[in-house]
Amino acid sequence: GQQLNQSPQSMFIQEGEDVSMNCTSSSIFNTWLWYKQEPGEGPVLLIALYKAGELTSNGRLTAQFGITRKDSFLNISASIPSDVGIYFCAGFPNAGGTSYGKLTFGQGTILTVHP
Amino acid sequence: DTEVTQTPKHLVMGMTNKKSLKCEQHMGHRAMYWYKQKAKKPPELMFVYSYEKLSINESVPSRFSPECPNSSLLNLHLHALQPEDSALYLCASSQDIQFEAFFGQGTRLTVV
Repeated sequence: GQQLNQSPQSMFIQEGEDVSMNCTSSSIFNTWLWYKQEPGEGPVLLIALYKAGELTSNGRLTAQFGITRKDSFLNISASIPSDVGIYFCAGFPNAGGTSYGKLTFGQGTILTVHP
Repeated sequence: DTEVTQTPKHLVMGMTNKKSLKCEQHMGHRAMYWYKQKAKKPPELMFVYSYEKLSINESVPSRFSPECPNSSLLNLHLHALQPEDSALYLCASSQDIQFEAFFGQGTRLTVV
């Protein structure tokens, strides 16, 4: 099946620092999504990307859909303690074939923010 | 409103029990999903329903049986589960396949 390689696996940063994480795939994705998940809760959608090259912001968060359609990144500026959680990239593979409709997740980035 | 509601929030069941997980959305979404998630791991896709029809079954054991009674509801029927099936079960919905998916808060299932 489709694989999404997300990095880094974990980050320990100081409050106020910027954060960057990315996701890559060996195959083309039509849609890239970024989620944040806190303990005991479901993933919360942060940003959705639909076009190659698209750059979208949501407050201190910025994400981009790579022009090759095989990667995406998420940046968080001026981190605060409540940014703590697990961040997942996810995507829908290119239409056609047995992977159509399979919303696939990366392995996640565990973010820890020290005050 | 982007709410997906899952019930119950917690469930403990024996290996011989039969139980059901429920998921509801009123956003008019036509795609609904079941995922299984273990601690510190990404969600793993189990089933996808599109326009109330099962479109994807990720080789899930038959002790898990999905059902989509109507466009707003998705159930997951559980029977003869094993302790290793203990996990957070997540439901999600999207306008259609390939659109952003919204998740419920999950059901924490413990099989004893």
